[in-house]
Amino acid sequence: GDQVEQSPSALSLHEGTDSALRCNFTTTMRSVQWFRQNSRGSLISLFYLASGTKENGRLKSAFDSKERRYSTLHIRDAQLEDSGTYFCAAASSSFSKLVFGQGTSLSVVP
Amino acid sequence: EAAVTQSPRNKVAVTGGKVTLSCNQTNNHNNMYWYRQDTGHGLRLIHYSYGAGSTEKGDIPDGYKASRPSQENFSLILELATPSQTSVYFCASGDECHQDTQYFGPGTRLLVL
Repeated sequence: GDQVEQSPSALSLHEGTDSALRCNFTTTMRSVQWFRQNSRGSLISLFYLASGTKENGRLKSAFDSKERRYSTLHIRDAQLEDSGTYFCAAASSSFSKLVFGQGTSLSVVP
Repeated sequence: EAAVTQSPRNKVAVTGGKVTLSCNQTNNHNNMYWYRQDTGHGLRLIHYSYGAGSTEKGDIPDGYKASRPSQENFSLILELATPSQTSVYFCASGDECHQDTQYFGPGTRLLVL
């Protein structure tokens, strides 16, 4: 079936630094959604993209509009509260069914 | 006010027992989903529904049934619970107007002894 490969699996950042997370898809995807899971386990939706890029504060996400085979999430000026596990989830031709990546565990340290 | 709620939030069950996890959404979305989350696997789709009365198998449906008696409610049923079904279960809702965007509940932690 459709696969979503997320990298890195774990990441440690110092406050104030920038980094990027990536999801590769084994097949063409129609859209991608990014989530952050906090320490209580709640899934918070960050972005939904069917194409192009979206930005919200220090977060920016992009979805490869040409081949639709990867997406990125950029974190600028990382803060302690950015710590958590980040998931991407993509939808293919099967209507609205999301396939999740395995997550990136992000730890922001002083 | 939370739009997708789940109950119970925590559950301990015995092997062979029946477990019902409930989900309620006030988004008026047609589509609802049940996922489980295990370490190293991310979230995996168990069952989903396009509307009241419909249930569809997801990627890992074995050992689970689902019921959608109304637009607002979607239940996940474990007729004979097994320890391998110990996991965190998430419900989500979504509709065609927002394409593939899904909104998640807070999760239910299930421990099967």
